[in-house]
Amino acid sequence: AQSVAQPEDQVNVAEGNPLTVKCTYSVSGNPYLFWYVQYPNRGLQFLLKYITGDNLVKGSYGFEAEFNKSQTSFHLKKPSALVSDSALYFCAVRDIGNNRLAFGKGNQVVVIP
Amino acid sequence: EAGVTQSPTHLIKTRGQQATLRCSPISGHTSVYWYQQALGLGLQFLLWYDEGEERNRGNFPPRFSGRQFPNYSSELNVNALELEDSALYLCASRKAGVRATGELFFGEGSRLTVL
Repeated sequence: AQSVAQPEDQVNVAEGNPLTVKCTYSVSGNPYLFWYVQYPNRGLQFLLKYITGDNLVKGSYGFEAEFNKSQTSFHLKKPSALVSDSALYFCAVRDIGNNRLAFGKGNQVVVIP
Repeated sequence: EAGVTQSPTHLIKTRGQQATLRCSPISGHTSVYWYQQALGLGLQFLLWYDEGEERNRGNFPPRFSGRQFPNYSSELNVNALELEDSALYLCASRKAGVRATGELFFGEGSRLTVL
């Protein structure tokens, strides 16, 4: 079965510094990878996806993610973090066989003013 | 275009009662997914409906059930509520078809509290 791992529980970063949220995946076949963000007491908002093509994917709110096949990683990045980026971030992989998304446990990002 | 809508926003029940949660997908989306987000447990897949049929279910007991209506809206029923059923229940929809790229669009969720 497809799965993703988000190794860190919380990421703390100072406002204006680069932000990285890590994700590694395990799939059979070609991966369909996604990042979502969740603000407190809200649903999940889609940020970006990798299906095929360029390894660097650009998404909403200035976020981007780098697909690395050899390292089976799909890390989320933002060059300059904002306080408003403080939220819970989920990596997900499409489970082709079951036609659903399998989510990681989520990373809490705290951007310190 | 309206997003995925869920109701009620909050629901408080007692142990042993039944809860019904409702979801309306984005117009043109035929697949509806239900996820449970319990504190500290991440998102757990519950159910997937497409074209009115249950296509897949996660590792949850049979007291979690649901259905999809002809207009593609869906409801999730939880019978014999237990304290550990307290969670945010998220509904998501997806456009089906050959060109669908798989991302899900989520509603704001229904917060179920079991006392």
